[in-house]
Amino acid sequence: RKEVEQDPGPFNVPEGATVAFNCTYSNSASQSFFWYRQDCRKEPKLLMSVYSSGNEDGRFTAQLNRASQYISLLIRDSKLSDSATYLCVVKVNGNQFYFGTGTSLTVIP
Amino acid sequence: GAVVSQHPSWVICKSGTSVKIECRSLDFQATTMFWYRQFPKQSLMLMATSNEGSKATYEQGVEKDKFLINHASLTLSTLTVTSAHPEDSSFYICSAKRTASNEKLFFGSGTQLSVL
Repeated sequence: RKEVEQDPGPFNVPEGATVAFNCTYSNSASQSFFWYRQDCRKEPKLLMSVYSSGNEDGRFTAQLNRASQYISLLIRDSKLSDSATYLCVVKVNGNQFYFGTGTSLTVIP
Repeated sequence: GAVVSQHPSWVICKSGTSVKIECRSLDFQATTMFWYRQFPKQSLMLMATSNEGSKATYEQGVEKDKFLINHASLTLSTLTVTSAHPEDSSFYICSAKRTASNEKLFFGSGTQLSVL
């Protein structure tokens, strides 16, 4: 079983739509959780950390469910510029980071 | 935010040559850096963990004699692809974590290697 699993998509949504991605992790001792955004042939860039209480940054909301071992990312009012691959990253301990395969999002005009 | 510089961005080389990729943390010290490769439409695959002043830790299936890693200072790690072959063509990315408690990873801009 993979450490981190994501639905690869692709998700094709119209501008203005709300879209949600989920990511599950297998290690219950996982400590920290992140969503990164990666554009084609570019490096991943941190979108947001995910906290137990849930957190929001503008149109983006991240949630963590430790009991079910999944994290989610909600994007409201999708923009064309949101088109990218979204990577779920889980830190198990100091130097062990596991990456999901990424979920591809295309926002259509 | 922290800045990680990776150089070069693009490399085209002949089969059999060696290619060195540099990863620098510009505004923080990084005891640990990570090297990944990524094939088109696939996720990052961790190749090795680079530790300052000691040997790198390689993931299973990654040849340490093929991919030489040197982490001589707290701000610089290098990956050398030795005797490159076409199957080594890939996107290579480094990341770094601050020495202190900061847990986030900061990524270099990546190197696209094409071996002819």
